[in-house]
Amino acid sequence: QVQLVESGGGVVQTGGSLRLSCEASGFAFSNCVMYWVRQAPGKGLEWVAVIWADGGTKHYTDSVKGRFTISRDNSKNTLYVQMNTLRADDTAVYYCAKEVGPGTGAFDLWGRGTMVTVS
Amino acid sequence: EIVMTQSPATLSVSPGERVTLSCRASQSVSNKLAWYQQKPGQAPRLLIYDASTRATDIPARFSGSGSGTEFTLTISSLQSEDSAVYHCQRYNAWWTFGQGTKVEIK
Repeated sequence: QVQLVESGGGVVQTGGSLRLSCEASGFAFSNCVMYWVRQAPGKGLEWVAVIWADGGTKHYTDSVKGRFTISRDNSKNTLYVQMNTLRADDTAVYYCAKEVGPGTGAFDLWGRGTMVTVS
Repeated sequence: EIVMTQSPATLSVSPGERVTLSCRASQSVSNKLAWYQQKPGQAPRLLIYDASTRATDIPARFSGSGSGTEFTLTISSLQSEDSAVYHCQRYNAWWTFGQGTKVEIK
């Protein structure tokens, strides 16, 4: 079954840390550029981070630079994001997603999301 | 930074009617534009990418058009299950979403 399953969300104090995981199955994870996208309660979608298939290139939205680190383990078909120095405005549902095709940047597979609450 | 602006914010439409949603980019994004449908408590679902290509298993009543800075998502005949928030997203160089349009069924 083609799917992405996020885990690791929860409630954390301001300034704390959390690591989210996204386990992929049913497709060639090691060939895919992968993304983290978040959605604050009642708000729109926001791209957070991207990592190239080989893990060699990573980009972040400005608001998380220096605090979040995206990584992947292709041997485990798993994507991660380490979130440090968390702030109240990081509160959101965090989704992992893959592209519809190489270099497209449109996301055809999403996980169900994991909620992160910073208080 | 390219800003994506969707209009209207909310739309109330009767079943069977034609629906047109707008997405405007503050600078040209060529055809690097996608549309997503999101229902409450669910992840977004890709409808359209490259401005006009329907994603896998998306019904033909959904169509996309436009290029540059002006884009449209059309639902040719609204069904009750189409009640959702619709997001546009540009992906030329970076990835930015619009604020969404909520489509309600009358």
